[in-house]
Amino acid sequence: GAGVSQTPSNKVTEKGKYVELRCDPISGHTALYWYRQSLGQGPEFLIYFQGTGAADDSGLPNDRFFAVRPEGSVSTLKIQRTERGDSAVYLCASSLLLSSTDTQYFGPGTRLTVL
Amino acid sequence: SQQGEEDPQALSIQEGENATMNCSYKTSINNLQWYRQNSGRGLVHLILIRSNEREKHSGRLRVTLDTSKKSSSLLITASRAADTASYFCASDPPIQGAQKLVFGQGTRLTINP
Repeated sequence: GAGVSQTPSNKVTEKGKYVELRCDPISGHTALYWYRQSLGQGPEFLIYFQGTGAADDSGLPNDRFFAVRPEGSVSTLKIQRTERGDSAVYLCASSLLLSSTDTQYFGPGTRLTVL
Repeated sequence: SQQGEEDPQALSIQEGENATMNCSYKTSINNLQWYRQNSGRGLVHLILIRSNEREKHSGRLRVTLDTSKKSSSLLITASRAADTASYFCASDPPIQGAQKLVFGQGTRLTINP
């Protein structure tokens, strides 16, 4: 079946602009995660959803970042007033159930470049 | 940052040799997982080892876990050119809730033909 998909694959924007990054999880997966990966680093947790609700958003760096998952499937990560430091690959992952042994399946990521 | 550490940061070996990568983490864990990443994009799950396990095998992969030292190792035997990638360990700390994976900085593995 289809894996996790993310759109766009690349996004170039100017400092101060607003961007939305979309994630389509694997069908039937109740848990959805967002990570951010800077160049040469491992991914860093941002937020996860169990169903429609944000179960933990402690990784969001500041209030310019917001994510939604209104119908418990597709999720959108929204970044307001982008800064050059927001440039990174944003990764989305999903898993069947929120438990400690479930495998997280990652999408290909969206590479965000803020000029 | 709460990321763990991996060493070496980069490893270059000849095809057919074994590759060993090490990972250290900072907190207690439910489990530890290893992922592979090609070309800086999506991660592929390789193997999960639970906190009460010491060693696990999957094909050419062997993972060990030492919770007393908060460390893990990934061994790839009989390496192939297709194994060239970055490898990340990811710990799942129970105190932070299920599945908030904490990734290491990765080891960049190059297999030379």
